[in-house]
Amino acid sequence: DSGVTQTPKHLITATGQRVTLRCSPRSGDLSVYWYQQSLDQGLQFLIQYYNGEERAKGNILERFSAQQFPDLHSELNLSSLELGDSALYFCASSSAVNQPQHFGDGTRLSIL
Amino acid sequence: DQQVKQNSPSLSVQEGRISILNCDYTNSMFDYFLWYKKYPAEGPTFLISISSIKDKNEDGRFTVFLNKSAKHLSLHIVPSQPGDSAVYFCAASGNTDKLIFGTGTRLQVFP
Repeated sequence: DSGVTQTPKHLITATGQRVTLRCSPRSGDLSVYWYQQSLDQGLQFLIQYYNGEERAKGNILERFSAQQFPDLHSELNLSSLELGDSALYFCASSSAVNQPQHFGDGTRLSIL
Repeated sequence: DQQVKQNSPSLSVQEGRISILNCDYTNSMFDYFLWYKKYPAEGPTFLISISSIKDKNEDGRFTVFLNKSAKHLSLHIVPSQPGDSAVYFCAASGNTDKLIFGTGTRLQVFP
């Protein structure tokens, strides 16, 4: 158990819809990261938050947004969903720079 | 542009022998490297890391070697056990915290 909790485990929805993925980091970790793993691809970095502030951005689509709340949990919002957004979305947390990131078990998003 | 490459999609090793997983990178700004293990339906599990100021780090059966001049790192598992069967990802980071992952190597350890 990594200590990182992601909900829900599975999401099935239709094109054009909007969903919210939730992540609770390990106790004490201030940094939260979001990654996407599509079919046949490695994990792709989306965005990082540190103590409520956006710290780094990857190739995150404009239809996607995230935030980190005062209690340090984070949400990833995906809107105007397309078939290609079907993927595994992972959240990770870490305590500091150059410290390992610990991953949750992911949310599997299926767009029908 | 794939900055972190794992050129072997799969590896099969007999139980008790050494498993060697390889990873190459292209970005000379990377200074922190990690290996993760992933089982189906689970998130990646951190195994071991190494900073660019070192060339070796050891933790139990796992050893990571870093060759900066060749931009190459490897993970050695000795002795290999059936429970080690999983997909292994190498990852790297530089002046930001974001991790760049390789595409993974599937290790199968057979009796």
